[in-house]
Amino acid sequence: SQQGEEDPQALSIQEGENATMNCSYKTSINNLQWYRQNSGRGLVHLILIRSNEREKHSGRLRVTLDTSKKSSSLLITASRAADTASYFCATDNFNKFYFGSGTKLNVKP
Amino acid sequence: EPEVTQTPSHQVTQMGQEVILRCVPISNHLYFYWYRQILGQKVEFLVSFYNNEISEKSEIFDDQFSVERPDGSNFTLKIRSTKLEDSAMYFCASSAMGGGLNTGELFFGEGSRLTVL
Repeated sequence: SQQGEEDPQALSIQEGENATMNCSYKTSINNLQWYRQNSGRGLVHLILIRSNEREKHSGRLRVTLDTSKKSSSLLITASRAADTASYFCATDNFNKFYFGSGTKLNVKP
Repeated sequence: EPEVTQTPSHQVTQMGQEVILRCVPISNHLYFYWYRQILGQKVEFLVSFYNNEISEKSEIFDDQFSVERPDGSNFTLKIRSTKLEDSAMYFCASSAMGGGLNTGELFFGEGSRLTVL
């Protein structure tokens, strides 16, 4: 399976701290995406990184991709209480996008 | 801002009953997906749909499931005879591009919660 698996399963930090989540996957990919899900809501796209890219930034988000290790990380800097959500990585295999189980991030005010 | 809409938001049904979940994808999107998520667990791929036919499906998407795009705007998921284990949140998603080298982001609806009693 190409499913991404996020690590850790849960992360609790104080507001202002950085949060790092990791994703590992099993086979080669074209790209990797990160999504966010607030409790009981739909998933929202955050950022896409292509297989030929190593790092990408978007606001307070920084994503890295290491295709040799088949892993990616999502860093959220200067976290806010509003960042509390589950974060999923998604890998694609043509018209199938696989999600993992997510990292539940809790940012305490 | 364009969005994917899903109805109903919550459906309760008896085991063995048929259920149809409806989705209106973003109007200029060409690729459509159904996912399910059991009680905050992993988001599981069910099926992708392009050019009026299924392009990929998972092992979960057995003969009890079917999808249809009946009128060019709606995209439906039918479960013929529901089981207790079908209880989950079902998400519809659409994309302007499919997977592969030119992949784009998926836009998700807010989900339909299905409870099978």
